[in-house]
Amino acid sequence: SYELTQPPSVSVVPGQTAIITCSTDKLGSKHTSWYQQLPGQSPLLVIYQDNKRPSGIPERFSGSNSGNTATLTISGAQPLDEADYYCQAWDSSTYLIFGGGTKLTVL
Amino acid sequence: QVQLQESGPGLVKPSETLSLTCIVSGDSINNYFWSWIRQPPGKGLEWIGHIYYTGGTSYTPSLKSRATISLGTSNNQFSLKLTAVTAADTAIYYCARGEAGTLSYWGQGTLVTVSA
Repeated sequence: SYELTQPPSVSVVPGQTAIITCSTDKLGSKHTSWYQQLPGQSPLLVIYQDNKRPSGIPERFSGSNSGNTATLTISGAQPLDEADYYCQAWDSSTYLIFGGGTKLTVL
Repeated sequence: QVQLQESGPGLVKPSETLSLTCIVSGDSINNYFWSWIRQPPGKGLEWIGHIYYTGGTSYTPSLKSRATISLGTSNNQFSLKLTAVTAADTAIYYCARGEAGTLSYWGQGTLVTVSA
């Protein structure tokens, strides 16, 4: 088994680019997804298959995955993006695993 | 639009079995994975396991001995049973639809408290 490591917190001012990382050995060989969880709400899928955005997710959300690190980038972060973000990985031989979560502060 | 709704007791006594059901609307069970995930208060997400529409299951190793996920008798529900619960099992429990390793639709979650 493996663990996914995320920074506990990231802080940016409005309009800046927020970058949240997720790391484990050979993560680039696995499929990764990212979820946004607003306070008191269910998680919402914002990136899947490393870099794809579901319908309705703003273009400012993007993702990448290479080597040992997957990255969620929020370009021009807004106060409404303030939330907890979780990465999640899967490959066909294992089960789903979540990272520990990153609290994004935009102020 | 796919919707999922968890239901079950909000309070379970220690050592007893937690039982939850997820009702799926706007879609059938066919062709997807159906997962259970939990989140202890103030903590992160933990995937419990999933069931494929054909009945095949997979569980996270730490819960494999206590968790059972099954399909319902109708084609729009699936269930979770977790035996021998302790206070550490107190959490919000979510059901979700999965495909290609991604959880694309989630229920609103239900809080289950383990207490005497």
